Amino acid sequence: DIQMTQSPSSLSASVGDRVTITCQASQDISNYLNWYQQKPGKAPKLLIYDASNLETGVPSRFSGSGSGTDFTFTISSLQPEDIATYYCQQYDNPLFTFGPGTKVDIK
Amino acid sequence: EVQLVESGGGLVQPGGSLRLSCAASGFTVSSNYMSWVRQAPGKGLEWVSVIYSGGSTYYADSVKGRFTISRDNSKNTLYLQMNSLRAEDTAVYYCASSPLLPGGYFDYWGQGTLVTVSS
Repeated sequence: DIQMTQSPSSLSASVGDRVTITCQASQDISNYLNWYQQKPGKAPKLLIYDASNLETGVPSRFSGSGSGTDFTFTISSLQPEDIATYYCQQYDNPLFTFGPGTKVDIK
Repeated sequence: EVQLVESGGGLVQPGGSLRLSCAASGFTVSSNYMSWVRQAPGKGLEWVSVIYSGGSTYYADSVKGRFTISRDNSKNTLYLQMNSLRAEDTAVYYCASSPLLPGGYFDYWGQGTLVTVSS
């Protein structure tokens, strides 16, 4: 089974800062890597699919890149409403795996 | 508008059974890949099971042999039959849909239903 690692596990940043989260797969997963935002008590929300595609309605300050085993998720200018936990997720047909998550808060 | 509404959660004793339901509207469950994803209290997301449009089913190792995913096309509803429940199965269970595309992403989620396994 493919394992996913994410770093950092948590971070604190100031409003307006650029925030970067990395996700690494234990095997080549092409671009089958997706990113979700989860706020406390809420269901996860899809932000980025296929490594770099912005889901409809998601602000353009969110972006993703990468392929193979190494992926990056970026918030170009952190906003107060971005406080949440972010998860990467891979698809290795027919199975799915989530990364452990990165908790983002305001410094 | 796409909507997924889970139900069936509750308190159950270790070794007991529970069946979760996920009623879908705005799309057809048989036309998408439908999954269950869970989240233990204070923990991360864990994929549990998927049923593909053709009917194939797959499970995480942690639930294999104990949980069964199914769907009722006439009711447009997804189910998760959970048997031999353990304390470590305590979690919020979400149903989620994936479009018939290679990326395997979950574009719609339900609100979740809490399952507590305790004596």
